[in-house]
Amino acid sequence: DAGVTQSPTHLIKTRGQHVTLRCSPISGHKSVSWYQQVLGQGPQFIFQYYEKEERGRGNFPDRFSARQFPNYSSELNVNALLLGDSALYLCASSQQSGTHNEQFFGPGTRLTVL
Amino acid sequence: GDSVTQMEGPVTLSEEAFLTINCTYTATGYPSLFWYVQYPGEGLQLLLKATKADDKGSNKGFEATYRKETTSFHLEKGSVQVSDSAVYFCALTNQAGTALIFGKGTTLSVSS
Repeated sequence: DAGVTQSPTHLIKTRGQHVTLRCSPISGHKSVSWYQQVLGQGPQFIFQYYEKEERGRGNFPDRFSARQFPNYSSELNVNALLLGDSALYLCASSQQSGTHNEQFFGPGTRLTVL
Repeated sequence: GDSVTQMEGPVTLSEEAFLTINCTYTATGYPSLFWYVQYPGEGLQLLLKATKADDKGSNKGFEATYRKETTSFHLEKGSVQVSDSAVYFCALTNQAGTALIFGKGTTLSVSS
């Protein structure tokens, strides 16, 4: 079975632009989470979606938004990009939401903001 | 709030040496605890997990025991290999179960 897939692999944008990142979960998984990993740091939680509803939100500004589609894939949108948004964006899927549900990570999208 | 503290790296070892990477946590409730590994240029892979106190997670020779009394989840391996060189992250689930909270990561470098 395919793992979590993300697209694109790499992306270069300039300040003020908008970006959309995409994620397809493992087949049968209904929950998708997004994390931002700045170089040299651990991942920081951005959002979790389960059954197309937002279940959790991290401490990120409103420029960040996400949604989940009926096929459980997800998009992360970032508006008005700042230099500080440069990071590896990781998507993770799990069968359900909840404490003991193991999250499986994709390879990430490397976003560079110039 | 919930948090994870890992020992600072980098950790540099010779092949077949014993490895310990310390991890302590602060959390409300009873979180699940995880160790993830990240190889260069890749995403995160789950290494092992423990869901309740005194559970021992193990995989590929790595072990960690959920110690509620010391709020710790230290990672150990008896004999490291060059292929174990990577960044290791300790993590816990938040109380709502909606997010993983990660430590800053510890870089392990193993030489032959």
